[in-house]
Amino acid sequence: QKEVEQNSGPLSVPEGAIASLNCTYSDRVSQSFFWYRQYSGKSPELIMSIYSNGDKEDGRFTAQLNKASQYVSLLIRDSQPSDSATYLCAVGSYNTDKLIFGTGTRLQVFP
Amino acid sequence: DGGITQSPKYLFRKEGQNVTLSCEQNLNHDAMYWYRQDPGQGLRLIYYSQIVNDFQKGDIAEGYSVSREKKESFPLTVTSAQKNPTAFYLCASSIDLAGGPYNEQFFGPGTRLTVL
Repeated sequence: QKEVEQNSGPLSVPEGAIASLNCTYSDRVSQSFFWYRQYSGKSPELIMSIYSNGDKEDGRFTAQLNKASQYVSLLIRDSQPSDSATYLCAVGSYNTDKLIFGTGTRLQVFP
Repeated sequence: DGGITQSPKYLFRKEGQNVTLSCEQNLNHDAMYWYRQDPGQGLRLIYYSQIVNDFQKGDIAEGYSVSREKKESFPLTVTSAQKNPTAFYLCASSIDLAGGPYNEQFFGPGTRLTVL
């Protein structure tokens, strides 16, 4: 079992729709959760961090964390073609010195 | 401007050569990391460092070496022992290695290495 799992996609959504990206993790003591956006040929950009159960909203982005079920999700409201990218989920815990990254979900937003 | 810089952006290496990738940060972060990304794959950790003159191997350290002589700098050398070095190399930094909010990692723009 991979430590951090994401559906590779592509996830295709029409412009203006809500895109829902999901991530599951295996380490129950994980404490920190991050979403990165990576455009083709570019480096990852941190877009959301979440540490407590529940929702965290930032503009059009909402991160949702459920530690009991060991999943974290990212919702993108009013999706735009400029949101088309690969989204990486990363998980950290106090037990390790490093983040564990998923392989990413490719999102395509079509006009 | 605070940030992480990597140079060069593109690097071409002949087989048998060692090459060094530069990474500098002015964020006053203690921890620095090197990752490798191959097409269609996730990030794989090569080396990381929390303090000057100390670093640890990541998951794929063979064929690579690093140094941390200054807090701001963490260069990566790809040696001739690395059999398949063609990849996108990413440097990152965070305030601390610890879990929680202190290990938000921020990435540099990357170096794309190609072996000729």
